[in-house]
Parts: sequence; structure tokens; C-alpha cells
Amino acid sequence: EAQVTQNPRYLITVTGKKLTVTCSQNMNHEYMSWYRQDPGLGLRQIYYSMNVEVTDKGDVPEGYKVSRKEKRNFPLILESPSPNQTSLYFCASSQTGTLAKNIQYFGAGTRLSVL
Amino acid sequence: DAKTTQPTSMDCAEGRAANLPCNHSTISGNEYVYWYRQIHSQGPQYIIHGLKNNETNEMASLIITEDRKSSTLILPHATLRDTAVYYCTAIPGGGYQKVTFGTGTKLQVIP
Repeated sequence: EAQVTQNPRYLITVTGKKLTVTCSQNMNHEYMSWYRQDPGLGLRQIYYSMNVEVTDKGDVPEGYKVSRKEKRNFPLILESPSPNQTSLYFCASSQTGTLAKNIQYFGAGTRLSVL
Repeated sequence: DAKTTQPTSMDCAEGRAANLPCNHSTISGNEYVYWYRQIHSQGPQYIIHGLKNNETNEMASLIITEDRKSSTLILPHATLRDTAVYYCTAIPGGGYQKVTFGTGTKLQVIP
């Protein structure tokens, strides 16, 4: 089954304790992206990757890191989490380069609470 | 990337057509209009997309104005399961770059 898998689904942590949220897709998609969702603010893009070893900032990259060493994986790293990073996070992937077929597939989300 | 604006919320009676507008007045010629919806806090789900012609699929219809500055998503016979937040966004053809979703429209389908 084609899917985007995020882990963990729920995470409670404390300020300053490094964490990683994993994202994996099995569709051989070039493009992957991370979003955060907060009440009243909609979906905001954190980072995206056009392909392996190619990453770029979205609208809200501060406090986050990403890496794209393999095509299928795109982990989100919070080196020193703070309470303002408490949010619902989504990973997404898409094929690229095929005209008019850039449909993003989203994971189920990771709900993060930073105390 | 074009900025999109949508009403914050809308109501629709069950069985009636739901018409959700989106303004994208700064859209450029190579950007497609995409619509997604999010039910509760699940991952957003693709609905439909188009460039300048009207489009229809099994989920919805998309009407894009001739000047491409706005579009309307139509759910022809809304059901309670269509209650969700609907997002429109503009994405360049040929590949993604930075993507802006905005805050979307909360559609409440009323029995």
C-alpha cells in the first residue's frame, strides 16, 4: 500500500531534549516536505526537499533541521525543543517533474508536546 | 508562489451543493490550483487540481475563472462526511518548491 509513515504519532518531551520525528515513503517520490499545524494558522511549511541531498527552508524553519540521505526518508530533527514547538506535524511526499501530477500524499501526523 | 485567501468558515445543508471559493489573484501562468481537505486532524487529502479549464472527478468539480484569479470547489451533494477544512493552494507545474497552504475554509455540513 502506497503510504507516508510518520513516527511517533504522539510524543511528549521536555524543553531542550533533542528529538527526531521520522518520515518514510514507499512511492519513490522525489519531493518530501514537513509542515506544522497550529490552531488558526493553518498548515505552514517547515522544510522541503526536492531530492536526495537537496533541502530548503519553508516558511517556518527556525528551530528545526532536516536531512535527506535516502530518497525514502526525511527525518525532522529538533535539536533543542521549546514549548512554542508544541504542534501537530505532517510529513508529505510527491512525485515531481510530471506536469500537473504534483499531488502531495500526507502522513497521519505527529502530535508533539514540549513541556 | 501565489498567496491564496479563503473564507474562514461556511455552512451547507446536507444534500445541497457546497461551493467553496478561493482567491488567488497573484497566481502566475505556470501555477496550478490544487485543493485538499482535512478531516479532523488527519493528514490532508488531495481532491482536485486544474490550470485553466474546469475539472471534474469523482469527488468534486473545480471552476477556475477565465482570468485565473479565483476558483470555486464544488461538492455537488454534500454529506456529513464532507465536514472538513478545505485548503486551496497554487503550485508550479513541473515540480514543487515552497508550498503555502493558508488557513483554509472550515465547511460544516448540517443535517
